[in-house]
Amino acid sequence: GAVVSQHPSWVICKSGTSVKIECRSLDFQATTMFWYRQFPKQSLMLMATSNEGSKATYEQGVEKDKFLINHASLTLSTLTVTSAHPEDSSFYICSAREGRNYGYTFGSGTRLTVV
Amino acid sequence: QQQVKQSPQSLIVQKGGISIINCAYENTAFDYFPWYQQFPGKGPALLIAIRPDVSEKKEGRFTISFNKSAKQFSLHIMDSQPGDSATYFCAASIVRYNFNKFYFGSGTKLNVKP
Repeated sequence: GAVVSQHPSWVICKSGTSVKIECRSLDFQATTMFWYRQFPKQSLMLMATSNEGSKATYEQGVEKDKFLINHASLTLSTLTVTSAHPEDSSFYICSAREGRNYGYTFGSGTRLTVV
Repeated sequence: QQQVKQSPQSLIVQKGGISIINCAYENTAFDYFPWYQQFPGKGPALLIAIRPDVSEKKEGRFTISFNKSAKQFSLHIMDSQPGDSATYFCAASIVRYNFNKFYFGSGTKLNVKP
């Protein structure tokens, strides 16, 4: 089945620095990838939709200048948390779909801790 | 406004018992209803899904019951096992442009006692 790889699985960074999270579709091409954020013991909230070769579409309330998304190829999307602060600490999860069906696959997530 | 409401928040079931998790939605435009299983520190994994033209779908020990008129759907886990202990999320999706936008429930933490 489709596999979505996310890297790193966890990262600790200092306040004010930037962190890049990668999401790769390993065995399929994904023109669209999705970035979610999950707070402890809470549900997943869609942050943005990443489109290959074009600008990402951000959900209401998500700062696009803070959460930079780049989808430079059909197998890679990156989320960069810029000037991270402790309140950005969260579990970030990407998702992608193989083909025009309902089979969305999630990555294993990235635990970001900003100290 | 939460598009999908899920209950209970947590559930304890004895091994071999039936686990039941319920979800309700408001938007009748939703056309796909998946359930995801998530273990700590991992991303969600698709468990089973249903479309609104079907009232029930069964895959192994997992069954979705769907009530379109009541706008409710539920997950039944038969013969629950300790390995089923995880957090379960229901979701509903609507097609936006050429992909599905998912709205997730708040999650149910299931603990199956041996």
